[in-house]
Amino acid sequence: NAGVMQNPRHLVRRRGQEARLRCSPMKGHSHVYWYRQLPEEGLKFMVYLQKENIIDESGMPKERFSAEFPKEGPSILRIQQVVRGDSAAYFCASSQSSGGTEAFFGQGTRLTVV
Amino acid sequence: EDQVTQSPEALRLQEGESSSLNCSYTVSGLRGLFWYRQDPGKGPEFLFTLYSAGEEKEKERLKATLTKKESFLHITAPKPEDSATYLCAVQAGSNYQLIWGAGTKLIIKP
Repeated sequence: NAGVMQNPRHLVRRRGQEARLRCSPMKGHSHVYWYRQLPEEGLKFMVYLQKENIIDESGMPKERFSAEFPKEGPSILRIQQVVRGDSAAYFCASSQSSGGTEAFFGQGTRLTVV
Repeated sequence: EDQVTQSPEALRLQEGESSSLNCSYTVSGLRGLFWYRQDPGKGPEFLFTLYSAGEEKEKERLKATLTKKESFLHITAPKPEDSATYLCAVQAGSNYQLIWGAGTKLIIKP
């Protein structure tokens, strides 16, 4: 039973380019969460999705950032026109339900904007 | 505002020297408190979920406890492989998201 799979593990983008981060949840999990982590800081919630629905995007910047979790395929976090401040580790987690159950994390995508 | 604070920021112990990590929280309507372990360059690894004051859970050398204001992660006779950053998070009220502390970096010297 594979865990949460994220790819790519490392991504380098020039300022102004687009970054696409992919996340395949654990088998049987229909809830996906995206978090951002800066060095020496805690995880910051970005967005919570269920299949084909965005449930809570309160932690995601209104501009340049978007997320989806289609009926088929992985969840995608998309960052348009990246800036240096977007450099961070982005983690995806999945769970079986939303209410107080443990979420399992992927290995993360480390985005570097040059 | 919901908040989670972990202390100390870093802790250095000798192998075999037991200690505790603290996670204090101020939230409305706690639904669950979670402990995770994170190794450098990796994603957080789930350890425990605690739901109500007085609850305790154990796994190998780790034991997590919960009161109405804080949680402790006790580590007994730690080994170098226990070195990691330990993260605490809470889920509260009607929110789906987890609110995270900044973590405690634990270093166990052989």
